[in-house]
Amino acid sequence: GQSLEQPSEVTAVEGAIVQINCTYQTSGFYGLSWYQQHDGGAPTFLSYNALDGLEETGRFSSFLSRSDSYGYLLLQELQMKDSASYFCAVRGRTGGFKTIFGAGTRLFVKA
Amino acid sequence: NAGVTQTPKFQVLKTGQSMTLQCAQDMNHNSMYWYRQDPGMGLRLIYYSASEGTTDKGEVPNGYNVSRLNKREFSLRLESAAPSQTSVYFCASSRAGENTEAFFGQGTRLTVV
Repeated sequence: GQSLEQPSEVTAVEGAIVQINCTYQTSGFYGLSWYQQHDGGAPTFLSYNALDGLEETGRFSSFLSRSDSYGYLLLQELQMKDSASYFCAVRGRTGGFKTIFGAGTRLFVKA
Repeated sequence: NAGVTQTPKFQVLKTGQSMTLQCAQDMNHNSMYWYRQDPGMGLRLIYYSASEGTTDKGEVPNGYNVSRLNKREFSLRLESAAPSQTSVYFCASSRAGENTEAFFGQGTRLTVV
């Protein structure tokens, strides 16, 4: 089976940097994805890591270490609009590419 | 380009009633998914369809059935609704393959009383 763990809440100040961690257990997977969801909205894709290392997309970066079954999402220059829930997800090698999500991390950005 | 469209957006059911949630995508995606989201529980996979003509159980399939009507449409049916099925339901689709993002519909907010 597959399972993911991430912190339930993180609070940070506007302009700061915040890291949201994700550890996972899976029998085999293609890579780790990150999604953002604002209250009342649908999840939207942020990033994907298939290989170990850091992927950067603007203010957001994502990291994967397959040997440690660990990844993180790094948000820089935090803005109030970044207040949202962030989910890590794994896409399995078995079972027709099904995607399993973590429980999500609620990020609160304070002025 | 509408993406993923779910209907209805809101629904209130009485315990024991049945209903079907509809989902359609216009991106020519092979894979489609149904998730439910409860407070603090994240997104839990109910059923998915890797391609037209196939469906498989996800993490929480009990009390639900699905139909992949064609490549575009994937419906979720509650045969006898229970209060425990009160949730927000999201349909999603993606291309087949390893490095693909999932596109989500806007969700159906279902309350069972």
